[in-house]
Amino acid sequence: QIQLVQSGPELKKPGESVKISCKASGYTFTDYAMHWVKQAPGKGLKWMGWINTYTGKPTYADDFKGRFVFSLEASASTANLQISNLKNEDTATYFCARGASGDYWGQGVMVTVSS
Amino acid sequence: DVVMTQTPVSLPVSLGGQASISCRSSQSLVHSNGNTYLHWYLQKPGQSPQLLIYRVSNRFSGVPDRFSGSGSGTDFTLKISRVEPEDLGDYYCLQSTHFPWTFGGGTKLELK
Repeated sequence: QIQLVQSGPELKKPGESVKISCKASGYTFTDYAMHWVKQAPGKGLKWMGWINTYTGKPTYADDFKGRFVFSLEASASTANLQISNLKNEDTATYFCARGASGDYWGQGVMVTVSS
Repeated sequence: DVVMTQTPVSLPVSLGGQASISCRSSQSLVHSNGNTYLHWYLQKPGQSPQLLIYRVSNRFSGVPDRFSGSGSGTDFTLKISRVEPEDLGDYYCLQSTHFPWTFGGGTKLELK
């Protein structure tokens, strides 16, 4: 069955970096784009951008340009999200979601940024 | 950016009753290829969102026929008939016609 399994929760200090992974199984990884979505505590969903899993080309929404990097380990069917120079407002759950309609989602990774 | 206005914010329902959620976009969601990329998700407490309806009116695999989507252009509706306990949670619409993708603000379906 199709699954997206994300890495575990993270507790970081402001200024540090974090890397979140999203491992896909049950389908051909390069057949579907991978999208990233942010959900701050108690808030709605915000689309961050996507990565073409065939070419590796990332596309970022404006609010996520600069400190956010989407990458792949295609041989491991894994997409990664790295956030550098963490700020308090990066505290959120980050989801990966498959394809043009977000048909399958990871379970989410809670990232807490606190001094 | 396309603004997705979702109403109501909160929707109290009775089990077995009907619910209707509206999603309006600030511009037409008809893509140049003729498709309309408007989707609906349910996020149950503590879980990730799950796809219910894709491209306006297509139920995703395993979604009960109690869920139906309709609409066109800028005006879309999700209807839930015979509400069951597992239907409670936060509903979101998403447009993926225009960059950047944008979500509605969410509707909390809760018991009356």
